[in-house]
Amino acid sequence: QKEVEQNSGPLSVPEGAIASLNCTYSDRGSQSFFWYRQYSGKSPELIMFIYSNGDKEDGRFTAQLNKASQYVSLLIRDSQPSDSATYLCAVNTGFQKLVFGTGTRLLVSP
Amino acid sequence: DTGVSQDPRHKITKRGQNVTFRCDPISEHNRLYWYRQTLGQGPEFLTYFQNEAQLEKSRLLSDRFSAERPKGSFSTLEIQRTEQGDSAMYLCASKNLVNTEAFFGQGTRLTVV
Repeated sequence: QKEVEQNSGPLSVPEGAIASLNCTYSDRGSQSFFWYRQYSGKSPELIMFIYSNGDKEDGRFTAQLNKASQYVSLLIRDSQPSDSATYLCAVNTGFQKLVFGTGTRLLVSP
Repeated sequence: DTGVSQDPRHKITKRGQNVTFRCDPISEHNRLYWYRQTLGQGPEFLTYFQNEAQLEKSRLLSDRFSAERPKGSFSTLEIQRTEQGDSAMYLCASKNLVNTEAFFGQGTRLTVV
């Protein structure tokens, strides 16, 4: 079992819809959770992080964390074509490094 | 520019040659990380420094790889006797002790031919 799992996609949504991206992790000791956006050929760009159970909102983005289920999600409201990218889930297992999933490719069609 | 800076952005080298990459972290960031990313995969941790001390190295980091951060500021990653399997994007990230998030540089894309 991989430490951090994501569906590789692509996840296709129409412009203006809500995109829901999911991530599960295996290490119950994980402390903080990150969502990065990566455009093709570019480096990862931090969107937001969460470390407490529940929801955390930042503009059109909402991160949701459920430690009991070892599940993290990212919701993107009012999706735009410019949101089309690969979204990487990363987990800090407490050893100062991030463990990344393989990413979910999101396609937002006009 | 106050972000993480990596140099070069692209490197093409012949198999068997040595290459060295440089990373300049955000100033005052104590922690510096190196990751490697291949096509279709997420970044994989290679090593990290706190100030000048290298505190952890991944099993991915073979004997051909060495990283340094001699003065606790910039870091270098050297790959000796490059192999085609070393072709990847090499990413550097930095963070400070207070904040949770790490910020990535633009990466160095290595192609071994």
